[in-house]
Amino acid sequence: QQQVKQSPQSLIVQKGGISIINCAYENTAFDYFPWYQQFPGKGPALLIAIRPDVSEKKEGRFTISFNKSAKQFSLHIMDSQPGDSATYFCAATGTVGGATNKLIFGTGTLLAVQP
Amino acid sequence: EPEVTQTPSHQVTQMGQEVILRCVPISNHLYFYWYRQILGQKVEFLVSFYNNEISEKSEIFDDQFSVERPDGSNFTLKIRSTKLEDSAMYFCASSGRTVYNSPLHFGNGTRLTVT
Repeated sequence: QQQVKQSPQSLIVQKGGISIINCAYENTAFDYFPWYQQFPGKGPALLIAIRPDVSEKKEGRFTISFNKSAKQFSLHIMDSQPGDSATYFCAATGTVGGATNKLIFGTGTLLAVQP
Repeated sequence: EPEVTQTPSHQVTQMGQEVILRCVPISNHLYFYWYRQILGQKVEFLVSFYNNEISEKSEIFDDQFSVERPDGSNFTLKIRSTKLEDSAMYFCASSGRTVYNSPLHFGNGTRLTVT
């Protein structure tokens, strides 16, 4: 119940295309869903996050779509650029048995944007 | 921009030895964390620390692990007797408020290799 399932494991997209990464969760107590971006040799960095009171959040070329009934959320990268090539992690947290600061991460998606 | 710094970047140790991984969180942050990432796998929560005490820990964080904030700037993770399966990238993170209200800022990690 604590897991966050992420797919695909890897993704190759042409420059200018749309990258889509999907995540699913089971625990209905999760109520905060961030996405982290990690470049080689670096720690993860927060990209964008959503709470379940909205179905979509957009920041620049990055959009999170959230489907509460399906317990799924996805990251869309519009006009993908070679500089977007990185590993993307979805994550979730919630008041499971009380307040928590623990992020549960997905398994990661290695995105390669080809020029 | 302030950042979380971790030392060393790479630590090689023999099985059974003690290691201390060091971190300097962002100076005005109040919440501190350790996560680890086994090569090619997801980022896993180890422990969170607030107000000079552990606020939450995972099942991975057993009696072999301890954390300390010995002064106003450092945050350390000690592994008392390392095992081969402790080989991973260890990330320190800090945040100004809870994960719901402020992003986690990760360091670049310490790669621990246990031989």
